Amino acid sequence: AQTVTQSQPEMSVQEAETVTLSCTYDTSENNYYLFWYKQPPSRQMILVIRQEAYKQQNATENRFSVNFQKAAKSFSLKISDSQLGDTAMYFCAFKAAGNKLTFGGGTRVLVKP
Amino acid sequence: GAGVSQSPRYKVAKRGQDVALRCDPISGHVSLFWYQQALGQGPEFLTYFQNEAQLDKSGLPSDRFFAERPEGSVSTLKIQRTQQEDSAVYLCASSLDPVPLETQYFGPGTRLLVL
Repeated sequence: AQTVTQSQPEMSVQEAETVTLSCTYDTSENNYYLFWYKQPPSRQMILVIRQEAYKQQNATENRFSVNFQKAAKSFSLKISDSQLGDTAMYFCAFKAAGNKLTFGGGTRVLVKP
Repeated sequence: GAGVSQSPRYKVAKRGQDVALRCDPISGHVSLFWYQQALGQGPEFLTYFQNEAQLDKSGLPSDRFFAERPEGSVSTLKIQRTQQEDSAVYLCASSLDPVPLETQYFGPGTRLLVL
């Protein structure tokens, strides 16, 4: 069974600064996919960024980028130029062939003005 | 187009009551998922449909939980004889194709409180 661990329950960052969220996972699969989801207070989960395990190049989406270290089973998310609208819960998630997502416990990010 | 919708948004039930939670996926989406999110935790997988076929129900916590998607579109999650530990937000998600990279689009959830 796969497990996903997010060790930071809460992070705060000043507006326009950078914050990095950590995620580690455990799996025996070789082909899998990793995701970061954002859940604002309205609770609708939104995909932020995704990474295929077979790709060495780290994914980027505008201000969001990941640092994927396959050997270490680490998948951190960097939010650059933080904005007030980035305040939310962030969940790291893993998916293999079965299509179901396995989520970590989440990190609450608070962007301060 | 419209996203994933869920109803009701909030449900209060007395312990022992049966409840039914509805999910309307994005039109044309083949895959549909149910997740349970306890307060302060990440969502946990309950069950997965590909069209009308329930391919994975390994996450259903007990035989009191039942899900169906009879026509391959709308899905209903039914909980019989609700218990206090069933209190959670129930999230529905859908995706266009049944491939792992496909994005899952989530609904707003149904918050269930069992008293």
